[in-house]
Formats: sequence, structure tokens, C-alpha cells
Amino acid sequence: NAGVMQNPRHLVRRRGQEARLRCSPMKGHSHVYWYRQLPEEGLKFMVYLQKENIIDESGMPKERFSAEFPKEGPSILRIQQVVRGDSAAYFCASSTDIGYEQYFGPGTRLTVT
Amino acid sequence: SQQGEEDPQALSIQEGENATMNCSYKTSINNLQWYRQNSGRGLVHLILIRSNEREKHSGRLRVTLDTSKKSSSLLITASRAADTASYFCATDPRRGTSYGKLTFGQGTILTVHP
Repeated sequence: NAGVMQNPRHLVRRRGQEARLRCSPMKGHSHVYWYRQLPEEGLKFMVYLQKENIIDESGMPKERFSAEFPKEGPSILRIQQVVRGDSAAYFCASSTDIGYEQYFGPGTRLTVT
Repeated sequence: SQQGEEDPQALSIQEGENATMNCSYKTSINNLQWYRQNSGRGLVHLILIRSNEREKHSGRLRVTLDTSKKSSSLLITASRAADTASYFCATDPRRGTSYGKLTFGQGTILTVHP
């Protein structure tokens, strides 16, 4: 049973470009969470999704950031018009149900130049 | 202080010794989860302990939870150099609008010397 998959593992974008981060949850998991880890900081919750629904996006910046988890395919975290402050590691996690273990992917390290 | 705060911030021990890390939190929880993160890597899930549990074991790991003191501890027995990593506790709040939203502490950096 493959774990949570994320791609790309590393992403370099120039300021103003768009970044698209993908996450495929573990098989059988229908709950997906995105977290961000800034340099020298702990992880911060961004958004919680189920298939075709955003359940909680209270940790998402109000502008430029969006997330989706379509009926088919991976969950996508999209950052438009990236700025240097967006440089961070973005982790996706999945669980079988809310209140259960969240298993994390390897992360996508975004660098904005 | 923040929810899910670990103590100590850094711990350095010799191989074979035990390592104990503590986590304190502020709000009521549904469960508390411990993770390990090797430098530059993803998080590995270690153990989940629910609010109605007091102790849980997994291999060389022992986790305790004291909801009256809002604290948890992670004990790694007979440590190995491969245990060198950052350890995080994460709290999952009780049912409500924040349910499922893990809050992480800053972590404890454990170094095990061969």
C-alpha cells in the first residue's frame, strides 16, 4: 500500500509565476489536509478537504491560494503570483476519517526566486 | 505559549540511553499524535493516543497522556543513532469547527551519539 504521494518534490518558481502542488492520498483515504512548514518553524494547518468539498480552509491565506480535491485525481494546492515569502515546504496528509491518524507525504519544497 | 509545545527544545544523549520528550497543550483534545521528521524529509507517524487513553506502547516507544495537566510525554528506550531526528507532537481538537486540524509544536531536536 503506497503512502501519500506528493509531486513535485522540489519546485522553483520566479516571483509572479504560479505553483501547482499535487497530492495523492493513501489508498482508501478520503480526507486530505495541507500544511505548510516555513524555515525553522513547525507545521501550520492550511486546509482540509474531502472529495469535491473544502471542509476547513481557515489556515489558507485569503488571496492567491486555493485548493481542490476533485472526484477523480489528486488534490491540488495552487499558489498564484508567488512571492518570496511563499518559499516553504508544503506537506499533504491523509486519513481514513476525521479524528484518525494523519499520514504525511514527503512534501514539496517550493523555492521562489 | 502555543498549543502543542515540546520540551526540551533539544536533547543530546548517548546510544543506549532513554530519551524523554514532553508536550503541553492548552485546549481540549480528541487525540494527540507524535511524529518524527528527519532533516529535510517528510513526517513519519509514530503513535496516536486518544483523550480517553493514559498510556500507549509501540516497540521502543511509550507515550503517556495526562488530560488533567494537558500534557503528554514520549519515551524512546534504548536509543539508537538512527533515532536522531526532530520529534513533534500534534493535537487534534475535540469535535467542533477545528476538528481534524492538527496543531503542531516547534519540536524537540534529538541527537543520539554513537
